[in-house]
Amino acid sequence: GQNIDQPTEMTATEGAIVQINCTYQTSGFNGLFWYQQHAGEAPTFLSYNVLDGLEEKGRFSSFLSRSKGYSYLLLKELQMKDSASYLCAVAPSYTGFQKLVFGTGTRLLVSP
Amino acid sequence: DTAVSQTPKYLVTQMGNDKSIKCEQNLGHDTMYWYKQDSKKFLKIMFSYNNKELIINETVPNRFSPKSPDKAHLNLHINSLELGDSAVYFCASSQVGAVGGAGELFFGEGSRLTVL
Repeated sequence: GQNIDQPTEMTATEGAIVQINCTYQTSGFNGLFWYQQHAGEAPTFLSYNVLDGLEEKGRFSSFLSRSKGYSYLLLKELQMKDSASYLCAVAPSYTGFQKLVFGTGTRLLVSP
Repeated sequence: DTAVSQTPKYLVTQMGNDKSIKCEQNLGHDTMYWYKQDSKKFLKIMFSYNNKELIINETVPNRFSPKSPDKAHLNLHINSLELGDSAVYFCASSQVGAVGGAGELFFGEGSRLTVL
């Protein structure tokens, strides 16, 4: 079976750093994605990790530990516009890349 | 130009009716999907088509019938609508090999279906 866990909601202050965790248990693994979804909008791609370690992309970084079934998304210098849901998704290898299993998402509220 | 466009954006209808949602992508991708996002924001795959061929059908009731006339279009027809079908339906596309071999998803803006 597939199981992906994320915190339901987090709050942080503008300018701060926040880490959103994701743990997963899947019957296979072909990479982990993070997506951002603003209220009423479509999810948009943020990052992809398939090897262990940290991938940095501007203010956002994503980390993966395959042995621990664990990833996090790190957001630095938070801005009000970062208030959104952040979805962790895993591509199980038995169907390859074409089936993403999503977590329920973490709603991040950034306050002034 | 919108990369993945779906119509209509909003659908309000009565139980028992039949409705269709259309999706088109102009990214030249070879794979298209339908995802359903429920009221708790949980996003779940329904169908996936690769080059017009159905490759994933996730135990969706057969009241839901996808159709892909060509690789740029994937439509979703729903028969005998039920209250539980109320959700946001997202179309998406991807290209094998675009992101580390896995292919990031490009989503349409969603179609909010409300069944009364």
